[in-house]
Amino acid sequence: GAGVSQSPSNKVTEKGKDVELRCDPISGHTALYWYRQSLGQGLEFLIYFQGNSAPDKSGLPSDRFSAERTGGSVSTLTIQRTQQEDSAVYLCASSEDSDRGREEFFGQGTRLTVV
Amino acid sequence: GENVEQHPSTLSVQEGDSAVIKCTYSDSASNYFPWYKQELGKGPQLIIDIRSNVGEKKDQRIAVTLNKTAKHFSLHITETQPEDSAVYFCAADGAAGNKLTFGGGTRVLVKP
Repeated sequence: GAGVSQSPSNKVTEKGKDVELRCDPISGHTALYWYRQSLGQGLEFLIYFQGNSAPDKSGLPSDRFSAERTGGSVSTLTIQRTQQEDSAVYLCASSEDSDRGREEFFGQGTRLTVV
Repeated sequence: GENVEQHPSTLSVQEGDSAVIKCTYSDSASNYFPWYKQELGKGPQLIIDIRSNVGEKKDQRIAVTLNKTAKHFSLHITETQPEDSAVYFCAADGAAGNKLTFGGGTRVLVKP
């Protein structure tokens, strides 16, 4: 596609349920990033994938969070047993590769609300 | 790891005036410093970037300056317009250079 696509755009879930958020990066981009943005806050790095390398999971806040990237393209961020503090906008970005100085292209985000 | 601080957190200017946002970073090995603009309900979008071998870069009404010795860089918007109202984020790539660390953001409001 023309840009990074995320789905759903909005998700309301009950506390304790699992959710899956999807990201379709720009075709050909080998690097993919997930960020979390709480209301009125900055961008919190969660996880990054580069090609076939092991992902950098250093930003995941707890073991309830996980992500995978199948076939080097689409990525899914899974949050298990959601908590109210998980409510935020989850942003996905991709770039051509992870060489220094590569622009990250962002999707519109998924707004997650845990009630 | 890299730490990026951004000031101010909010900035209100009159249309036509200039706006300046400042960021400091901690990792002297950082080499790439992009600025992103985020409009309501949208993802951040790159507006300008600068690399460590350049001290200043300009693109129409937007300019960025970099001082590697002091480890700070700034965004300057001249002749502000209402459509410049948005949240702006600075970032730095850190020693590893494979992911960006973002500042906390500046909410800019341009009053007509």
